[in-house]
Amino acid sequence: SYELTQPPSVSVSPGQTARITCSGDALPKKYAYWYQQKSGQAPVLVIYEDSKRPSGIPERFSGSSSGTMATLTISGAQVEDEADYYCYSTDSSGNHSWVFGGGTKLTVL
Amino acid sequence: QVQLQESGPGLVKPSQTLSLTCTVSGGSISSGGYYWSWIRQHPGKGLEWIGYIYYSGSTYYNPSLKSRVTISVDTSKNQFSLKLSSVTAADTAVYYCARDGLIWGQGTLVTVSS
Repeated sequence: SYELTQPPSVSVSPGQTARITCSGDALPKKYAYWYQQKSGQAPVLVIYEDSKRPSGIPERFSGSSSGTMATLTISGAQVEDEADYYCYSTDSSGNHSWVFGGGTKLTVL
Repeated sequence: QVQLQESGPGLVKPSQTLSLTCTVSGGSISSGGYYWSWIRQHPGKGLEWIGYIYYSGSTYYNPSLKSRVTISVDTSKNQFSLKLSSVTAADTAVYYCARDGLIWGQGTLVTVSS
């Protein structure tokens, strides 16, 4: 089965740039989506189609994709950005099967 | 704006069928171009895609759950539903419904226990 691989944790100080990666064999052909999930809350989409930002998401959130790796970048991370982040994408088999990455805990302190 | 709300039993017995409904408000589920998804999250774990139904009626399921999952739409009630059969304790999770991955419900905890 298709898998997306994320680092379990990333830690930065406030104001620094946080980068969270997601690797998957189909990413050269398929879009990556990124979700932020704070404790006890439903996930929130922060990036779609590799690099697009939904309305209401701060500009410090950006996304990129190159080869088999997608990256979520938080420029000038703030304490309130501390959360779990998940990438989400589909495989290239044509069976419309979607998968989440294992999630990355971002600590900002 | 469109909002989604999950509803259903919070406790299901092993071997029974888990049934959840997602009620869509602020918009019509019949509007074309959207896909309506179910996602779950085991306690303290990551997210797991269960499946979705496209506005055309086509359904797509997680291969690991496909034999037990049915997603359907009731346009008259502006709802879509999830049925998961033969549940075990491993199906205990928070279940979310979502539209296009952008709009999510708040989630509902379903516990499988006798």
